[in-house]
Amino acid sequence: GQQLNQSPQSMFIQEGEDVSMNCTSSSIFNTWLWYKQEPGEGPVLLIALYKAGELTSNGRLTAQFGITRKDSFLNISASIPSDVGIYFCAGQHNSGYALNFGKGTSLLVTP
Amino acid sequence: GAVVSQHPSWVICKSGTSVKIECRSLDFQATTMFWYRQFPKQSLMLMATSNEGSKATYEQGVEKDKFLINHASLTLSTLTVTSAHPEDSSFYICSARAGVGEQYFGPGTRLTVT
Repeated sequence: GQQLNQSPQSMFIQEGEDVSMNCTSSSIFNTWLWYKQEPGEGPVLLIALYKAGELTSNGRLTAQFGITRKDSFLNISASIPSDVGIYFCAGQHNSGYALNFGKGTSLLVTP
Repeated sequence: GAVVSQHPSWVICKSGTSVKIECRSLDFQATTMFWYRQFPKQSLMLMATSNEGSKATYEQGVEKDKFLINHASLTLSTLTVTSAHPEDSSFYICSARAGVGEQYFGPGTRLTVT
């Protein structure tokens, strides 16, 4: 499958700072998803986006589905140490199809 | 709800042996299950898609005779790594989907081949 361009590759920030990461694709997706993965575990779904332009929040997390349908971003506000992990974006062409993952953004938060 | 389990969580085997990994949807019926492989510090790469009762569809470059997938019921899919070699050492993750809904991931299985 296609691999998405995700940036930044890693971030090292202080507790309380806001974080932003994004994902771009050369092709259009109908669904964008954001996952968090902690060491030795499977990815956990954070936010799912189904419509171009959609802006969705989940607590301190906010994600948007780009208007061109080729990009998405995830913001984390007021980061805390438990936000540490690897964040993956994933695009899906159609419901029921497999996911195409980005390379991940590794987030480290210092107290 | 939507819990997916994998067993074992980790396994060490000798080169040349076969290893079976189970993926179960605990509280829903999964019409489709996906198997991914993840090498250290890399993203998840799809290996194959399996639909209950039919043959799995493998991604390009994944040997179907080496990675045997069986999706015999709506709650269980198995991945068997046959004649495992050290280069097969990886983190194997399954995901399950009910109908056209979202995919839910299992916790992964760490395979180490010595």
